[in-house]
Amino acid sequence: DSGVTQTPKHLITATGQRVTLRCSPRSGDLSVYWYQQSLDQGLQFLIQYYNGEERAKGNILERFSAQQFPDLHSELNLSSLELGDSALYFCASQGASGANVLTFGAGSRLTVL
Amino acid sequence: QQQVKQSPQSLIVQKGGISIINCAYENTAFDYFPWYQQFPGKGPALLIAIRPDVSEKKEGRFTISFNKSAKQFSLHIMDSQPGDSATYFCAASRDRGSTLGRLYFGRGTQLTVWP
Repeated sequence: DSGVTQTPKHLITATGQRVTLRCSPRSGDLSVYWYQQSLDQGLQFLIQYYNGEERAKGNILERFSAQQFPDLHSELNLSSLELGDSALYFCASQGASGANVLTFGAGSRLTVL
Repeated sequence: QQQVKQSPQSLIVQKGGISIINCAYENTAFDYFPWYQQFPGKGPALLIAIRPDVSEKKEGRFTISFNKSAKQFSLHIMDSQPGDSATYFCAASRDRGSTLGRLYFGRGTQLTVWP
């Protein structure tokens, strides 16, 4: 167990729908990152939050958004879903010190039918 | 544009052999180079990482070799074991404190170690 908890583990939904993925970082970690893993694009950085504030955006679509709450858990919202959004979505957390490593959760597998 | 290129895509090695995976990067601003190991159904887990001030780092059976001038780095797994069978990803980022986790990943190498 990495200490990073992601729910749900699996999610099946239809095109056009909206889903929310949830992440609880390791205890004490202030940074949360979201990554997408797909066969087409590989592992890609989507967005980073640090202590409740957005810090950086990567290849995140406008239909996707995220937030980090005061208790440091984070949610990734995916809307107007398309078939191509089917992928594994990983959350990772990093400690307050920049030298700390990035620790990944087990991921949420999204299937859009 | 793939910022980190990884090869081979797949690798089959006999038990006890040496597994070698290679990566190349373009952005000279990168200064943190980790390798991640991923088993089916799991998230990537950090295996070993190197910074460009050293040319080699060894942890147990795992060694990273780093060539700054060639912008290449590689993972060597000595005495490969069936339990090493997994997908390996190289990655790179600029370590400016909070930017360390904005990793650019290679496409992965699926390693199979035959008993």
